[in-house]
Amino acid sequence: DGGITQSPKYLFRKEGQNVTLSCEQNLNHDAMYWYRQDPGQGLRLIYYSQIVNDFQKGDIAEGYSVSREKKESFPLTVTSAQKNPTAFYLCASSIGPGLAANEQFFGPGTRLTVL
Amino acid sequence: AQKVTQAQTEISVVEKEDVTLDCVYETRDTTYYLFWYKQPPSGELVFLIRRNSFDEQNEISGRYSWNFQKSTSSFNFTITASQVVDSAVYFCALRPLSWGKFQFGAGTQVVVTP
Repeated sequence: DGGITQSPKYLFRKEGQNVTLSCEQNLNHDAMYWYRQDPGQGLRLIYYSQIVNDFQKGDIAEGYSVSREKKESFPLTVTSAQKNPTAFYLCASSIGPGLAANEQFFGPGTRLTVL
Repeated sequence: AQKVTQAQTEISVVEKEDVTLDCVYETRDTTYYLFWYKQPPSGELVFLIRRNSFDEQNEISGRYSWNFQKSTSSFNFTITASQVVDSAVYFCALRPLSWGKFQFGAGTQVVVTP
């Protein structure tokens, strides 16, 4: 079945540690996105990538880093510079940058908690 | 600037009541796309509908209907005869043609009680 997988589902981190959240898609989509969702709030864009080996900062990129070495993979690293990383992280993909009509498909999310 | 406003933070209804979720957007683009997503308690967002800026026809899908009015920059969503399974957070989103990003509203929590 085609879709987006995120792992792990729950992640606990100690302060000062970097952690990497995985996002894989087998939909052959060009564009991929990372969002952060805090309790009772909407989605805020962290980073997005419209094509392999290229990515752009979203609205809240500070303290995060990404890579896009393969079309199907878009891992997000939460660094120790992110002061308040406890949140729900959602990965999404869509067909292509020039096809604005196409909806985003979302993964199941990773809930990150800093201890 | 792109902006999506969902003024209703939470709506509580009793089963079988109708519920309407408001969405107001701002964009300077003449070509853009509007979306509604549902986020059940499990967390994963589920796509419900897409509408482009040139198509102002209302749409009905089962108990769901959407009213797009370009003159008021609104794209409202109605659930008819609500059910407990409709309890979720609903997000409205905007994607202008010139943008690679989606702009999401803050979401509206719908609570349907038996």
